[in-house]
Amino acid sequence: DTGVTQSPTHLIKTRGQQVTLRCSPISGHKSVSWYQQVLGQGPQFIFQYYEKEERGRGNFPDRFSARQFPNYSSELNVNALLLGDSALYLCASSLVGDKAFFGQGTRLTVV
Amino acid sequence: RKEVEQDPGPFNVPEGATVAFNCTYSNSASQSFFWYRQDCRKEPKLLMSVYSSGNEDGRFTAQLNRASQYISLLIRDSKLSDSATYLCVPSEDSWGKLQFGAGTQVVVTP
Repeated sequence: DTGVTQSPTHLIKTRGQQVTLRCSPISGHKSVSWYQQVLGQGPQFIFQYYEKEERGRGNFPDRFSARQFPNYSSELNVNALLLGDSALYLCASSLVGDKAFFGQGTRLTVV
Repeated sequence: RKEVEQDPGPFNVPEGATVAFNCTYSNSASQSFFWYRQDCRKEPKLLMSVYSSGNEDGRFTAQLNRASQYISLLIRDSKLSDSATYLCVPSEDSWGKLQFGAGTQVVVTP
């Protein structure tokens, strides 16, 4: 059984650019969530999707958007990147309301 | 007030010793609770779920006190491999939105 997979693992972008991060959940999991973790803090909730619909949104600006595809994979998009968007972006998959399992994350550096 | 508060540590623990730490949460509607461990620059990994009656998994014991809104984790017979940051995680809603604390760092020394 493969776990949660995220791509890419590392990314360097310039301020103002746009980025797309990808996540494939564990087989059978229909819920995908995205978290941002900056150094020294715990992960912060960005979005949750279930059955291709947004079920929750954290306190992030509209530059952040996401979607879920029919195969339950998901993309997180961030527009107009700021230096402060540099972080580890984590994707978690779960059965709805159940314990979540995380991918290895995408480390985004904005320069 | 932060929604989930944890002592950041570090807790320096001799190998073989016992260490315990708590976290407090503010959302009284939280229904599910978890402890995750996170190694430096890695993803969080589920350590254990926390049940109202308290539960044990090998050397790890978790307790939940809903009245006082705190969760505890006790590690017995600490191993060097237990060195990590431990994240206290209540689930915020029925969809499973997780609210993370900043974590408690544990350093087990030989």
